Amino acid sequence: GQQLNQSPQSMFIQEGEDVSMNCTSSSIFNTWLWYKQDPGEGPVLLIALYKAGELTSNGRLTAQFGITRKDSFLNISASIPSDVGIYFCAGQPYNTDKLIFGTGTRLQVFP
Amino acid sequence: DSGVTQTPKHLITATGQRVTLRCSPRSGDLSVYWYQQSLDQGLQFLIQYYNGEERAKGNILERFSAQQFPDLHSELNLSSLELGDSALYFCASSVLGTSGLYNEQFFGPGTRLTVL
Repeated sequence: GQQLNQSPQSMFIQEGEDVSMNCTSSSIFNTWLWYKQDPGEGPVLLIALYKAGELTSNGRLTAQFGITRKDSFLNISASIPSDVGIYFCAGQPYNTDKLIFGTGTRLQVFP
Repeated sequence: DSGVTQTPKHLITATGQRVTLRCSPRSGDLSVYWYQQSLDQGLQFLIQYYNGEERAKGNILERFSAQQFPDLHSELNLSSLELGDSALYFCASSVLGTSGLYNEQFFGPGTRLTVL
């Protein structure tokens, strides 16, 4: 199945540090979404982006819709222990509602 | 809590068997989506229903089928199960089904299927 390229695959950081992850595609997307998934649970929507170049924040999270419509990044500032989890990007192609997910970034935060 | 409910939480069955996974969307949402999450394939779109009608198909096997009922809940039926069908199955819902913007998908807690 199709998956988007997401990097890094995993990150081990200290509490208080900033985090950056990105997602790239060979296709353009209508919408970019970022989700967080905890073990054994469903993905939780963090941020939705709808316009190329759009920069959107949700608390300590900031995400951008790439100008080429083929990429997106997510930044987390001043990380805390509850940020631990797997972060997924998801792109919505034109003329469809389905989502194509990235490979995920596993984040570990140490006190 | 996303408002999307799924039952059962866990399901253990044997190869060759058939199971049914159930999903209730958020109140007011007309679209239901099913996704499969496995270690090797990640999160993969299976199928979408909008207001009772099939809207889009993804990587869904012929052994799998789904439907959406008048009350908008959905069921995913998996038959002739194989070891490789072991995975997490998620249901998501959204307000619309018009391939448009502002149609965020909210996920349920998932059903973990183990085929022995």
